[in-house]
Amino acid sequence: DAGVTQSPTHLIKTRGQQVTLRCSPKSGHDTVSWYQQALGQGPQFIFQYYEEEERQRGNFPDRFSGHQFPNYSSELNVNALLLGDSALYLCASSPGDTDTQYFGPGTRLTVL
Amino acid sequence: GEDVEQSLFLSVREGDSSVINCTYTDSSSTYLYWYKQEPGAGLQLLTYIFSNMDMKQDQRLTVLLNKKDKHLSLRIADTQTGDSAIYFCAEGGSTLGRLYFGRGTQLTVWP
Repeated sequence: DAGVTQSPTHLIKTRGQQVTLRCSPKSGHDTVSWYQQALGQGPQFIFQYYEEEERQRGNFPDRFSGHQFPNYSSELNVNALLLGDSALYLCASSPGDTDTQYFGPGTRLTVL
Repeated sequence: GEDVEQSLFLSVREGDSSVINCTYTDSSSTYLYWYKQEPGAGLQLLTYIFSNMDMKQDQRLTVLLNKKDKHLSLRIADTQTGDSAIYFCAEGGSTLGRLYFGRGTQLTVWP
């Protein structure tokens, strides 16, 4: 049973560019959440997708957007990248009726 | 917003027990979680406890919850060098879908 998968593993971008990160949930899970983990910090909630809709959003600017596809996979898009967007981006999946979330290995984004 | 606090570092000798502590502020939390993060990796769900429970045991792991004091602890029995990692406490359920994490406790196990 495959767990949560994310791609790419690492990414290097320059300021002002745009990036798309991808996530496939654990089998049987229909809800995907995205978190940002800065160095030395705990993960911070960005948003959650359920039934292809953004169900909840954390305190992140509109430069952060997402999408969920009919097969429950998800994308995180970040526009106009800033140096401060450098972080580990974690995707987590869960069944829709529970908060118990299972995390992927993350995508390490470096903005130069 | 919700706050989750953890001490940042803990060092123990191999074979000893480790106790990692966490405090949280939201009394309406439904579930409390412990995650483990090894270097360069994502978060691994270790265990969780429902808010109406006091204790949960799962092999070497024991979770204690004091809801009155909003205090959660994770005890690892017979700690091994492979247990060296960052351990995150997280609360969920008060706002469906999102988890609130502490900054993590770096556990170092000395041989």
